Amino acid sequence: EIVLTQSPGTLSLSPGERATLSCRASQSVRTYYLAWYQQKPGQAPRLLIYHASSRATGIPDRFSGSGSGTDFTLTISRLEPEDAAVYYCQQYGSSPLFSFGPGTKVDIK
Amino acid sequence: EVQLVESGGGVVRPGGSLRLSCAASGFTFADYGMSWVRQVPGKGLEWVSGTNWIGGYSDYAESVKGRFSISRDNAKNSLYLQMNSLRAEDAAFYYCVRGYADLYYFDSWGQGTLVTVSS
Repeated sequence: EIVLTQSPGTLSLSPGERATLSCRASQSVRTYYLAWYQQKPGQAPRLLIYHASSRATGIPDRFSGSGSGTDFTLTISRLEPEDAAVYYCQQYGSSPLFSFGPGTKVDIK
Repeated sequence: EVQLVESGGGVVRPGGSLRLSCAASGFTFADYGMSWVRQVPGKGLEWVSGTNWIGGYSDYAESVKGRFSISRDNAKNSLYLQMNSLRAEDAAFYYCVRGYADLYYFDSWGQGTLVTVSS
């Protein structure tokens, strides 16, 4: 079973700052199988990044994904107020077929 | 526009059953694998079950295996989740999502339906 760990638990930054969110896997994950989601309060999650670095349709280019093996990163280059949300990483693997990290909450000061 | 609309949530007693439905529109439903993901309010996400495009293959989280059953009707553009022997820990929002072992991620989500398990 692959376990995903996300850090930090909470990130508090000002508009315009850069946010760096980490997702670490207990075993190597193929980059093709790593995705990131954004969930705003009261809303369903939304796909941001798939295949570790490909932006989903309609996602602004200030969001970028990188990494390989056991270490993956979601970067928000210039924070906007509407980026306040919880961000989850997700991997596809075996038993369970899909698993999510615990999430990183991004607060905008 | 892709739309996924869940229904069937509600209050059920421990040990009871519930059937969730998901009506899909805006895309060719039969072209995609589909899954259910749940979330306890204020907590993280947990994949529950998924099925391939024709419903011929499915998989489940260990926590629901033997109690939940996923199915689909491509003629009706609908996905279902039959939940039996419900436990308090099954209480959550249940999201219908597009994606399974074809996409390896979930590119569209419904708004969720709330299942409450309480005596």
